[in-house]
Amino acid sequence: DAGITQSPRHKVTETGTPVTLRCHQTENHRYMYWYRQDPGHGLRLIHYSYGVKDTDKGEVSDGYSVSRSKTEDFLLTLESATSSQTSVYFCAIPLAGGHYNEQFFGPGTRLTVL
Amino acid sequence: QQPVQSPQAVILREGEDAVINCSSSKALYSVHWYRQKHGEAPVFLMILLKGGEQKGHEKISASFNEKKQQSSLYLTASQLSYSGTYFCGAGDTDKLIFGTGTRLQVFP
Repeated sequence: DAGITQSPRHKVTETGTPVTLRCHQTENHRYMYWYRQDPGHGLRLIHYSYGVKDTDKGEVSDGYSVSRSKTEDFLLTLESATSSQTSVYFCAIPLAGGHYNEQFFGPGTRLTVL
Repeated sequence: QQPVQSPQAVILREGEDAVINCSSSKALYSVHWYRQKHGEAPVFLMILLKGGEQKGHEKISASFNEKKQQSSLYLTASQLSYSGTYFCGAGDTDKLIFGTGTRLQVFP
């Protein structure tokens, strides 16, 4: 199986505070993706990366920024968290040997913004 | 815009069949199906490419109508392990746009 971890797994924070979520992969893949999952909306792409320092916006990028300084790490930052950003966040990478849209998901981070 | 899935929820007895539909307002070049069990991450099931090529990892079949911009996932002789939420994904160059999901529950 692909090696992908997310940290933290759970976080509770207050409105207005900055939050950074980390995705770490051991597969040396170019592509990495950040999604959020909310009831009734399914999975929505926030940002993705196609290489070190190469990132692009997804469907719901407002309020989020990302950075990728190393192949193995993709960071998602909420500069000033809001209650609407309470969600489950998933990171994903392509499956080894597969189409880049055959994605393997990390375990997720449950974020609660009070 | 997200693909639309129907139905939103399905309840089955073991051994019954189900069809889940995915429809896009944009041209589909590839369709991807994922299943997510409660409290877990989504897991890749199948990819259908324009031109008919299909790749999958489980004994679940699907169709892809490029002209109608639709895909359907066929679950036959359902098992308890089929329970979960199914998502279709519309391939858009190097990313996926997921549908809103269909919740499937299989009871003994």
